[in-house]
Amino acid sequence: AQTVTQSQPEMSVQEAETVTLSCTYDTSESDYYLFWYKQPPSRQMILVIRQEAYKQQNATENRFSVNFQKAAKSFSLKISDSQLGDAAMYFCAYRKVDFGNEKLTFGTGTRLTIIP
Amino acid sequence: DTEVTQTPKHLVMGMTNKKSLKCEQHMGHRAMYWYKQKAKKPPELMFVYSYEKLSINESVPSRFSPECPNSSLLNLHLHALQPEDSALYLCASSQDPLGVADTQYFGPGTRLTVL
Repeated sequence: AQTVTQSQPEMSVQEAETVTLSCTYDTSESDYYLFWYKQPPSRQMILVIRQEAYKQQNATENRFSVNFQKAAKSFSLKISDSQLGDAAMYFCAYRKVDFGNEKLTFGTGTRLTIIP
Repeated sequence: DTEVTQTPKHLVMGMTNKKSLKCEQHMGHRAMYWYKQKAKKPPELMFVYSYEKLSINESVPSRFSPECPNSSLLNLHLHALQPEDSALYLCASSQDPLGVADTQYFGPGTRLTVL
């Protein structure tokens, strides 16, 4: 079974600084997808970024980028120029490539605090 | 537009009540999901509907009854719930459940309290 581990229950960063959230996963699959979701206090889970395992290039979305290390099964999220609106719970998630398999496996989350 | 809407935002019910949660999307997505999320925990999958048919039921107690009347609408009927069922209930949708790469988009959730 696949597992996703987020070893940092809480992180904090000064506004405008850079922070990296870590995620590791365990799978025997060679092809899969990885996601970072953000859940602010407003509760809505928002997709931050997605990475396909077959792509060597790391995904980026504006201030958000990932460091995907397939051999190490590591998928960290870097947030540059942190803003107050980035404060949220961040969940790493895994989905294997399988027709009709809709299951996401989530990590336990990292609560990110932005210090003004 | 990646909007999934859920009503109500908050719900308080007694253990003998019958209530329903509603989820709607107009993105043409063909898969819809119910998740349960306890405080400070990740979401737990409950049900998945693909093309309006129930495709995954994660051994959820029968006091939770999902319904998918059409491709845009997903309901969760609640009856005889227990206090431990109090949680945030999240709905999600995705475009192509039979596709290889399918991203789920979440609604804002319904905060349920069972007294």
